[in-house]
Amino acid sequence: QVQLQQSGPGLVKPSQTLSLTCAISGDSVSSNSAAWNWIRQSPSRGLEWLGRTYYRSKWYNDYAVSVKSRITINPDTSKNQFSLQLNSVTPEDTAVYYCAREEGIAAAGAIDYWGQGTLVTVSS
Amino acid sequence: QPVLTQSSSASASLGSSVKLTCTLSSGHSSYIIAWHQQQPGKAPRYLMKLEGSGSYNKGSGVPDRFSGSSSGADRYLTISNLQSEDEADYYCETWDSNTRVFGGGTKLTVL
Repeated sequence: QVQLQQSGPGLVKPSQTLSLTCAISGDSVSSNSAAWNWIRQSPSRGLEWLGRTYYRSKWYNDYAVSVKSRITINPDTSKNQFSLQLNSVTPEDTAVYYCAREEGIAAAGAIDYWGQGTLVTVSS
Repeated sequence: QPVLTQSSSASASLGSSVKLTCTLSSGHSSYIIAWHQQQPGKAPRYLMKLEGSGSYNKGSGVPDRFSGSSSGADRYLTISNLQSEDEADYYCETWDSNTRVFGGGTKLTVL
């Protein structure tokens, strides 16, 4: 059974960097049959996909156009986890952030496991 | 990129059945989708992956009461013998090679 455990601060000041980590158990961040995603949820935007990282002989990343200039998702193979960094945050980045596993070896697949969620508030 | 449309709300009585709809945008009617359930205050939970043919694969532990079907651009989630714990938001999801989208969600009320 795959489990995803999120950690990170719940309060970030405007213009600073939001940083979250997702620890994986029951699977490997280097798996050739999974990808590791970050998704956020807010009342105004609903569920919004932010990006993913995955390994297929080398590491790849895909990012949503809406955050592409501000986002970095990195794997950490030594700790079997992956992280999200979102720069230059504004109050509009206030949301519940989820890490999630995407199944399959194809170019893309369904999200089949979710982390517990972290409410991140952007406020001074 | 694809767009997913869901009704904002639905209701049905305890013990009855309900069919929720997710509609794919024009040009994307063949896409595979997934259904997720989000109970109040919890993270979403994966229910199933559903193909345009109507074939579906459920996640681990998802009760037999949950089933999927398809017709054209419409993807359906049917919940039979409704229980109080089925009161939740239901989201559909689809994806391309480098993007992922979610529907706006349907809030299901069990009467």
